[in-house]
Parts: sequence; C-alpha cells; structure tokens
Amino acid sequence: QSALTQPASVSGSPGQSITISCTGTSSDVGGNNYVSWYQQHPGKAPKLMIYDVSNRPSGVSNRFSGSKSGNTASLTISGLQAEDEADYYCSSYTSSSTTFGTGTKVTFL
Amino acid sequence: QVQLVQSGAEVKKPGASVKVSCKASGYTFISYYMYWVRQAPGQGLEWMGVINASGGNTRYAQRFQGRVTMTRDTSTSTVYMELSSLRSEDTAVYYCARAYTTAIDYWGQGTLVTVSS
Repeated sequence: QSALTQPASVSGSPGQSITISCTGTSSDVGGNNYVSWYQQHPGKAPKLMIYDVSNRPSGVSNRFSGSKSGNTASLTISGLQAEDEADYYCSSYTSSSTTFGTGTKVTFL
Repeated sequence: QVQLVQSGAEVKKPGASVKVSCKASGYTFISYYMYWVRQAPGQGLEWMGVINASGGNTRYAQRFQGRVTMTRDTSTSTVYMELSSLRSEDTAVYYCARAYTTAIDYWGQGTLVTVSS
C-alpha cells in the first residue's frame, strides 16, 4: 500500500487559515469515510485531531476541520496559532490495512 | 486515565530480533485493538499491523509479513511486537497505539530501536 500524498510543507501567518490535502485512490481515501488526521510536535507522539473525515474528538479545538472530495481529503486549520506549528499526517483505514500520508510540516510565514 | 507505557530503548545488531512491550492501563484491555506504528528518524509514520487484544488475532502490513509477530497477555494487559532479521533500515521509534473505531486515540511514548553493527 503506497503512502497517501501530502504537500511537504504549508505556511501561513498567525490568524490565517490553511488547508492541507491528502490524496489517495478509490481503494483507500475515496472508498470510504475513514480518513483521520494527526498532529505531531517534535519528539512527541502523534495526537488525533480528526476521525471519520470530519469528526473532532473531545478536547480538540473547533479551529480544526476535515472534509473529503473524491480521492482527496483535506484538513483546514483556521485562525492559525503558534501551537499549530507541527507535522500533520492523514491516514486512511480499510478492513485490510491502515495507510498514512507522507506528512506535512506547518510553519509560520 | 488511559496510559500506554512502552519498554525502553534497544540497540541491536543486524540480523537480530527485538521485542517491544506495551502495558495498557486505565481502560478495559480486551475491548480494544492495538496498532503498532513506526517512524524512522526524520520520516513519516508507517503502519505495521494490528492485534485484537481480546482474541489475539492479528493483521500485518504486507511488507512486514514473515518478520513481525504481535502477541498479547491479557493477564497483564500487555501487548508485544517482535521484529526479526533486523537491518539498519529498521532503526526507528516504534509506537503502540490504541484503535478507536477507524482511528487511533491513544499512543505510547515510543521505543527507539537502533540497529547498528
């Protein structure tokens, strides 16, 4: 299973909105609504931010939102804040495996 | 609170095997599946496989088939991941992570495995 494709980096100014894409195929991202997003700060374990395309776990800021169109899922961060600087990974679940994205580093301009 | 506590860092020679443990607490162990995910230095996340903590059945990523074995001990709420025939490319941080529906909601602190001659 090949990794899902994400942009290597996305930059934004504090307070701006940014969107990270995650492109797969009809066999993974496009085949169901089981896309998740994780945030990872350096040296830390990942943290679940979005599951099942657009659901936020308890405790995750509503500045984070997810969507999907065809074989591409997206994570939008609105009102960018300092603590949002991190690596972000998408993942796609199927009954046979889970595939992660290549990862996107979010930085401030 | 849910906690996943992993065993400590390991240094292994090429060709050896490593076994990493992950002790769960704060929830009903047999009610959840457990994933193993690894991350090579400076690289992304890679799914290795999953174990059903109740029945012990497993599913492994194709690229690790034949080299990885995941087991669990329900009496101690511990899952194990053993990787054999280690090579330098297996140097990575290995995470256990609790499955939550189709995602992962809790992660262990990670175990660094270094493969070096």
